[in-house]
Amino acid sequence: QVQLQQWGAGLLKPSETLSLTCAVYGGPFRGYYWGWMRQPPGKGLEWIGEINHLGSTNYNVSLESRVTMSVDTSKSQFSLRLSSVTAADTAVYYCARYETNPWGQGTLVIVSS
Amino acid sequence: EIVLTQSPGTLSLSPGERATLSCRASQSVSGSYLAWYQQKPAQAPRLLIYGTSNRATGIPDRFSGSGSGTDFTLTISRLEPEDFAVYYCQQYGSPPRTFGPGTKVDFK
Repeated sequence: QVQLQQWGAGLLKPSETLSLTCAVYGGPFRGYYWGWMRQPPGKGLEWIGEINHLGSTNYNVSLESRVTMSVDTSKSQFSLRLSSVTAADTAVYYCARYETNPWGQGTLVIVSS
Repeated sequence: EIVLTQSPGTLSLSPGERATLSCRASQSVSGSYLAWYQQKPAQAPRLLIYGTSNRATGIPDRFSGSGSGTDFTLTISRLEPEDFAVYYCQQYGSPPRTFGPGTKVDFK
């Protein structure tokens, strides 16, 4: 069963860049889109974007100007960078593959001065 | 962008009752790529149904999905105590892979 483990900084100041990485274990990395989602406290899920093993990406239009995703196929890892964060970016961030359990364990990112 | 609307917002039921959750899309979902997730407090969402009607591995058969085009349904045939949670639908047929706002199933 595929497992996703994610990590990255959990406390940021406004204007800093959020950086998260997700590693894939126990299953194929090639041939799939790998997604990032987030969930602000007490709110619903928001799709941030996705990347495949070739580096092809799709981003949420509302975040497109600040989002960069990258992939390291040799390590079966993919990463998210979100620049110029504000308090509105405070959320639990998840990595996932569609049609598959489980998601990554989630990373709470708090943006506060 | 496909906008998903879920109804009702909250469903108050008792264990043993049947739950019917609706997810409506603003336009047809490509390839019937519609998924349902269950989320409990402080946990990551758990995939229940993918491709409209396929149960994910390990999901009990009291969970079933149906629908096509713009109208989809998740049915829980007999609620167990552990089923009280928030349920989200997601379309992943075309980017952006949008989520619905969720339906909370709580105790009557």
